[in-house]
Amino acid sequence: GNSVTQMEGPVTLSEEAFLTINCTYTATGYPSLFWYVQYPGEGLQLLLKATKADDKGSNKGFEATYRKETTSFHLEKGSVQVSDSAVYFCALDNAGNMLTFGGGTRLMVKP
Amino acid sequence: EAGVVQSPRYKIIEKKQPVAFWCNPISGHNTLYWYRQNLGQGPELLIRYENEEAVDDSQLPKDRFSAERLKGVDSTLKIQPAELGDSAVYLCASSTRQGPGQTQYFGPGTRLLVL
Repeated sequence: GNSVTQMEGPVTLSEEAFLTINCTYTATGYPSLFWYVQYPGEGLQLLLKATKADDKGSNKGFEATYRKETTSFHLEKGSVQVSDSAVYFCALDNAGNMLTFGGGTRLMVKP
Repeated sequence: EAGVVQSPRYKIIEKKQPVAFWCNPISGHNTLYWYRQNLGQGPELLIRYENEEAVDDSQLPKDRFSAERLKGVDSTLKIQPAELGDSAVYLCASSTRQGPGQTQYFGPGTRLLVL
């Protein structure tokens, strides 16, 4: 079946530090990959996505590249801000319109 | 454009009581999803609707959970009777159509606490 594994948090960084949140997946075929973000007290929001191998999704300074050879979709940002503090979820959709989520990674950015 | 609306935002009930959650998707979105998110975990799909038809309800505990989407717009998820283990956040999402890579738009969720 489909599964998503992401690094456990919390991840605590100082402002302007480099961020990487690892995400690997297991799926048959060619899934689409997503990063969703959940800010405190709010619902899940799409951050970025990639629908085929080698695609790079990007938004708000965040990037992730769909690596089929390593079944990974790691999230990166060059310089985090306090406002990036949130929970980040990696997810896949394997042509069934059903998102399979990882367990989430809490990011805390300190001034 | 208004987002996905859910109500109530919070609900506290005693075990064995019934509870219902309501969702209004984004206008024009034919596909509607209900997810359950346990504390510290990612959401898990309970049921998916295409218009008024439930096309994937394999993860819905049918002995106590039921859902409907009359007229293919609003949807209601019900639990009767609730158990302690049902405490979670219930999320509703919608998307425009089927197919891989479609973005799902989530509501704020209903946080349920069963005592």
